[in-house]
Amino acid sequence: DIQMTQSPSSLSASVGDRVTITCRASQTVYKYLSWYQQKPGKAPNLLIYTTSTLQNGVPSRFSGSGSGTDFTLTITNLQPEDFATYYCQQTYTTPHFGGGTKVEVK
Amino acid sequence: QVQLVQSGAEVRKPGASVKVSCKASGYSFPSHGINWVRQAPGQGLEWLGWISISNGFTNYAQKIRDRVTMTTDTSTTTVYMELRTLEPDDTAIYFCARTTAPTVITPSDYWGQGTLVTVSS
Repeated sequence: DIQMTQSPSSLSASVGDRVTITCRASQTVYKYLSWYQQKPGKAPNLLIYTTSTLQNGVPSRFSGSGSGTDFTLTITNLQPEDFATYYCQQTYTTPHFGGGTKVEVK
Repeated sequence: QVQLVQSGAEVRKPGASVKVSCKASGYSFPSHGINWVRQAPGQGLEWLGWISISNGFTNYAQKIRDRVTMTTDTSTTTVYMELRTLEPDDTAIYFCARTTAPTVITPSDYWGQGTLVTVSS
């Protein structure tokens, strides 16, 4: 199985900040990397798929990049509603999620 | 609108089985698969498996492959996940989620509300 490692596991940020979350795969997943946002008590919400394609309705301040084994989720101009936990997931082989990154208020 | 409505919370003893349902509406049922994902209390997301509605193919996570069965009833647009020989570590919220494609495992664009399964003696 291809394992996914996210970093950091948590970070503190302020409204208006630029936030970067990294996801590394144990072997190549090509472009088959997605990002989800999850708020407490809610189901996850798909933000980005195939590395950089924004899901319908997701604000353009979210962006994804990378290829192969190293991927990045960037949130520019962090908004109050963006404080949440973010997960990467590969779907190149049997899917696996990363461990999550909690974005907290500084 | 697309909706996935799951069955209610369940409590089981260790060794028992549980069957969670996920009723889909608002879209062409065979045009998308269903992923199942769980989340233990305070923990991250764990992918459990996938079923294709159009051809019935399944793919299960290695960890639970011997204990899980995913099925579909196209007449009621409902998907089921049965987990057997439950252990306390199976205590989690179980989510069904629609995949973006019908016959391969893809990310999930719509999710059910989650079903809490508690395993305790």
